[in-house]
Amino acid sequence: LAKTTQPISMDSYEGQEVNITCSHNNIATNDYITWYQQFPSQGPRFIIQGYKTKVTNEVASLFIPADRKSSTLSLPRVSLSDTAVYYCLVATNRDDKIIFGKGTRLHILP
Amino acid sequence: DGGITQSPKYLFRKEGQNVTLSCEQNLNHDAMYWYRQDPGQGLRLIYYSQIVNDFQKGDIAEGYSVSREKKESFPLTVTSAQKNPTAFYLCASSSGQGDYGYTFGSGTRLTVV
Repeated sequence: LAKTTQPISMDSYEGQEVNITCSHNNIATNDYITWYQQFPSQGPRFIIQGYKTKVTNEVASLFIPADRKSSTLSLPRVSLSDTAVYYCLVATNRDDKIIFGKGTRLHILP
Repeated sequence: DGGITQSPKYLFRKEGQNVTLSCEQNLNHDAMYWYRQDPGQGLRLIYYSQIVNDFQKGDIAEGYSVSREKKESFPLTVTSAQKNPTAFYLCASSSGQGDYGYTFGSGTRLTVV
């Protein structure tokens, strides 16, 4: 399973766009990149998944450069309720489990 | 609505006692997982099961046991052999290998008193 590196914590303000970058230098050809969000005392929630270029859904966008050695989760116009821990994961369709790192603790300020 | 149910939400255990955490899903998912989370930390995998009557150890299986007798249920027993069981326990399910969109339960917070 490819190892990922992401910032331990980030602060931002309401209404701003937040970008969280994840490094995965050893990503393999068949690996997908997946992001989860976790609020305090709750289970993580799947946000978005991608393989290359850009993926967008109603919650976030995921940008993946051509070399796929990093990815950026973009949250548009954040609110206080976006304060959470965000996990970047890399896995292949051969993996029968996924491993969570420590994630990025995002704190949105008023 | 389909989902995962963990019970109880809070659990207190005396030292030396075994305790079983319940996890039930009605998503018709083949795979189920147990993770442990300590304060300020990420999730660590305890056990997982891809199919009924089969399960594998995760990274921190010592002191824990599981069973998978039914597709819908994956109970976790925290035994007295687990030296530091106080933690937040999360159960998840997925449709199986290659599905990374896990559905998580709301967790059980276990405290040893």
